[in-house]
Amino acid sequence: SAVISQKPSRDICQRGTSLTIQCQVDSQVTMMFWYRQQPGQSLTLIATANQGSEATYESGFVIDKFPISRPNLTFSTLTVSNMSPEDSSIYLCSVADRGVRTEAFFGQGTRLTVV
Amino acid sequence: SQQGEEDPQALSIQEGENATMNCSYKTSINNLQWYRQNSGRGLVHLILIRSNEREKHSGRLRVTLDTSKKSSSLLITASRAADTASYFCATDAVGALGRLYFGRGTQLTVWP
Repeated sequence: SAVISQKPSRDICQRGTSLTIQCQVDSQVTMMFWYRQQPGQSLTLIATANQGSEATYESGFVIDKFPISRPNLTFSTLTVSNMSPEDSSIYLCSVADRGVRTEAFFGQGTRLTVV
Repeated sequence: SQQGEEDPQALSIQEGENATMNCSYKTSINNLQWYRQNSGRGLVHLILIRSNEREKHSGRLRVTLDTSKKSSSLLITASRAADTASYFCATDAVGALGRLYFGRGTQLTVWP
């Protein structure tokens, strides 16, 4: 399975500021995704990070709030912009490959608290 | 929504007992995956079952899939205190291009 490194692992941020979360994979992968897990809830898909083009966002998520970059097949960033306490969540990066193995693997997540 | 529903929401058992968790979903799928999450940390992949499979085993885990009922179950046999965690099912729907939709999860507590 792919080894996924996510940074930072946690952060406490002031409202109105922005935080960029990094996701690094130890091998090239076809697909990268970002998920959010609000306190006590399940995971919700934010967007698909597309290599070399704009991310594809799920309903309820917009680029201005969650800009995403994916400059190559091993790295992606998610920015949480103009944060409010409602953005306090765990943000998780996930990777998958199309082919024989289609399991999706997750990073350890970034626990964000907005005060 | 393509998200599934899991039951029970919480399950509490003694060590050595078996734990069964169920997951239902709404759309046609390529596969269904089960994950474990300890105390709000990252997700650990447990097992993937494809839409043309009916049962799969991995160690103490047994997963079944009934596509006619759009449901799956995860059985953990001879549970241990270390199995205490949240368990989620996630569906890879046809046409979803790898995007996963998660059930709400089952919180399993195994008492020593």
